[in-house]
Amino acid sequence: DARVTQTPRDKVTEMGQEVTMRCQPILGHNTVFWYRQTMMQGLELLAYFRNRAPLDDSGMPKDRFSAEMPDATLATLKIQPSEPRDSAVYFCASGSGHFYEQYFGPGTRLTVT
Amino acid sequence: GQQVMQIPQYQHVQEGEDFTTYCNSSTTLSNIQWYKQRPGGHPVFLIQLVKSGEVKKQKRLTFQFGEAKKNSSLHITATQTTDVGTYFCAGPGAGGTSYGKLTFGQGTILTVHP
Repeated sequence: DARVTQTPRDKVTEMGQEVTMRCQPILGHNTVFWYRQTMMQGLELLAYFRNRAPLDDSGMPKDRFSAEMPDATLATLKIQPSEPRDSAVYFCASGSGHFYEQYFGPGTRLTVT
Repeated sequence: GQQVMQIPQYQHVQEGEDFTTYCNSSTTLSNIQWYKQRPGGHPVFLIQLVKSGEVKKQKRLTFQFGEAKKNSSLHITATQTTDVGTYFCAGPGAGGTSYGKLTFGQGTILTVHP
């Protein structure tokens, strides 16, 4: 049963610290998405990749956030330095092609104190 | 940018009652997808609609795509406690090279009282 995996599942950190979240997309999926979910803003797209190339990261605060795909089996989202307003659940999702459904990972719940 | 508006934001029903959530777009959508997120969980794909006027059913769930492909609805007949969660519609992201990018509606949070 193929699924997207994310680590860590929960992360509590202090303001100013670096946070790295990891995602393993479903094997064979060539598109990877990073979302942030909060009660106030809902589900926001931060960045996405196709065939490991970044296509759009306009939803991401550029000064502190960065997203990469070192290889086809790993996507990373980094926040440096983290701030309390970054507290949210971060989801990774993968899919393939146009008009295809997205498969979400279980998410990383980030709390920045 | 393209927006997908979803109403209502919240819906409380008694078990056995019906439930409907609506999704509207100011632009024509090539397709629309629906997802369900259980409390504490992650969004899970339910269905995709592509054709104008399309109607699809999954057991007690009925999905419709408007004739103009600007709106969609999800109707649940005789809700059960297992239906609780947030239901999202999602349309293609703006831009010619969206490559599967989606714009999600704000979601409708469904509570079912036993």
